[in-house]
Amino acid sequence: GESVGLHLPTLSVQEGDNSIINCAYSNSASDYFIWYKQESGKGPQFIIDIRSNMDKRQGQRVTVLLNKTVKHLSLQIAATQPGDSAVYFCAGGDSWGKLQFGAGTQVVVTP
Amino acid sequence: EPEVTQTPSHQVTQMGQEVILRCVPISNHLYFYWYRQILGQKVEFLVSFYNNEISEKSEIFDDQFSVERPDGSNFTLKIRSTKLEDSAMYFCASRLEGTEAFFGQGTRLTVV
Repeated sequence: GESVGLHLPTLSVQEGDNSIINCAYSNSASDYFIWYKQESGKGPQFIIDIRSNMDKRQGQRVTVLLNKTVKHLSLQIAATQPGDSAVYFCAGGDSWGKLQFGAGTQVVVTP
Repeated sequence: EPEVTQTPSHQVTQMGQEVILRCVPISNHLYFYWYRQILGQKVEFLVSFYNNEISEKSEIFDDQFSVERPDGSNFTLKIRSTKLEDSAMYFCASRLEGTEAFFGQGTRLTVV
């Protein structure tokens, strides 16, 4: 079956810099992909999603890129702020909304 | 802003006991889910529920697990006879058709 996994367990970034979080998936079964942010002691919080027939989608300070050729997904956060410190998960979703999560990347924003 | 609420926030139970984790999904949502997250690991899908029946379940969701939507607002996960390895954060989620899933804050289940 499909697996969704993250390249780096921890990403340290300076406040104000841009962050890039990467994710790989093993097959193309997902209809869409979502990035979630999880702060300590809280549930996953939706950031942005992208349909599998798209290659780029932008939100407020965030951009998701999907490269189906190499089965790679990334989340770019512009001008990273201390409040962006969290664990970031990518997840692939099917038509029933079932999500398959990756392992998570801890983003640490330093002053 | 509407949110998914889960109770209790923390549940401690003895091995072999039954537990019921409760969730109130967002009121107009149609799809409901339970996920779990063992400490330090990724979030894992357990079960999805639509139109008053299970639409999909994972290998984790064995005969010890059941879900119910008893009254049109609550969505519960029951574990009949808890094991030590059931200790985890359990997240409820809900969504409308074609939209992102909204997650609750989770219930931390500790089996001793």
